Amino acid sequence: KNEVEQSPQNLTAQEGEFITINCSYSVGISALHWLQQHPGGGIVSLFMLSSGKKKHGRLIATINIQEKHSSLHITASHPRDSAVYICAVTSYNTDKLIFGTGTRLQVFP
Amino acid sequence: DAGITQSPRHKVTETGTPVTLRCHQTENHRYMYWYRQDPGHGLRLIHYSYGVKDTDKGEVSDGYSVSRSKTEDFLLTLESATSSQTSVYFCAIRQGTNTGELFFGEGSRLTVL
Repeated sequence: KNEVEQSPQNLTAQEGEFITINCSYSVGISALHWLQQHPGGGIVSLFMLSSGKKKHGRLIATINIQEKHSSLHITASHPRDSAVYICAVTSYNTDKLIFGTGTRLQVFP
Repeated sequence: DAGITQSPRHKVTETGTPVTLRCHQTENHRYMYWYRQDPGHGLRLIHYSYGVKDTDKGEVSDGYSVSRSKTEDFLLTLESATSSQTSVYFCAIRQGTNTGELFFGEGSRLTVL
């Protein structure tokens, strides 16, 4: 079993829909990161969370430390949001970054 | 932007040849990582460094070595490249402490024929 699990693996949506991507982890963490990768592109950090909730524009990320779970929400989705979204955690014990396998999102006009 | 650059960005080489990828940062961050990204596998950690001359193995370290003789440079070496090492390689750095933000290089696409 992977230490970081994301769901769903693939997601399609119509423009304007509310989107949720989930991440569960099984190790003790110092921080959790949400990353975005456009097709053929580099990787950009969207959020770093150690508790609570953060919001940037239409993106909201939450984390529940007790339940070892985080969610990334996209409100009013747009075709330019089409990308792979990756959850990563920093292991508290080893300082290693552990990645989920990503969620591929396609938003259609 | 944490001033992170990777070189070369693209390389084609033959099986059995040595290859070195360079990750360079301008911000003196402590933590640096090398990952490979392959379809169906996501990002997998090869090696990481938590300071000059301090490195450790990741989950797919066989066939790779690293060196960090200066804070700003983290080198990944394939001593004898194999076709299974054809991949896109990403360098990442982490700011400050273990809750620091992540920054990624643009990736290096390596093809081993």
